[in-house]
Amino acid sequence: AQSVTQPDIHITVSEGASLELRCNYSYGATPYLFWYVQSPGQGLQLLLKYFSGDTLVQGIKGFEAEFKRSQSSFNLRKPSVHWSDAAEYFCAVGAGSGGSNYKLTFGKGTLLTVNP
Amino acid sequence: GAVVSQHPSWVICKSGTSVKIECRSLDFQATTMFWYRQFPKQSLMLMATSNEGSKATYEQGVEKDKFLINHASLTLSTLTVTSAHPEDSSFYICSAKGQGRQPQHFGDGTRLSIL
Repeated sequence: AQSVTQPDIHITVSEGASLELRCNYSYGATPYLFWYVQSPGQGLQLLLKYFSGDTLVQGIKGFEAEFKRSQSSFNLRKPSVHWSDAAEYFCAVGAGSGGSNYKLTFGKGTLLTVNP
Repeated sequence: GAVVSQHPSWVICKSGTSVKIECRSLDFQATTMFWYRQFPKQSLMLMATSNEGSKATYEQGVEKDKFLINHASLTLSTLTVTSAHPEDSSFYICSAKGQGRQPQHFGDGTRLSIL
């Protein structure tokens, strides 16, 4: 069975600083990988996804992530954090054949606090 | 694009009543929809997966008679919490996915409070 580990429960950064959120996955085949962001009381918004191809993936809001198969990692990065980026971030791995029924397994999330 | 609407966003009801939550894909056809439950400050727990026109597949430990799922069309799935009790209070989130290698897109969630 697949699993996702987000080692950092809570990260605090200053506005304008760079950000890296860590994600490690366990899956026997080529994974489909995702980063989602959740604001309090809201649903999840897709930041970016990796299915295949270029291992450096660009997403919305200036985020990017790099798939490193050798390290089983899919870390999320942003060069300069804005106060509006404060939220909970979830990494997820999708298992299955890529057809309609693949399921997502989520990490436990990383709460990002941004100091002014 | 890829907007998922979930309704209602908040519901409070008495113990013993049934509550229906709707999940609609507004601008794409959702061949598969998923229902999750999220406890405070925790991650999402998948409850069930549904394909249009088929019976839902429930995860282990989820009572299918308690949580009725209907996926009647390519744009609508409903979750009915039957005879709800306080322990069913939670944040329920749906997601929808199109055919093939597509990501899941999530609704804004429904906060259910059973008194």
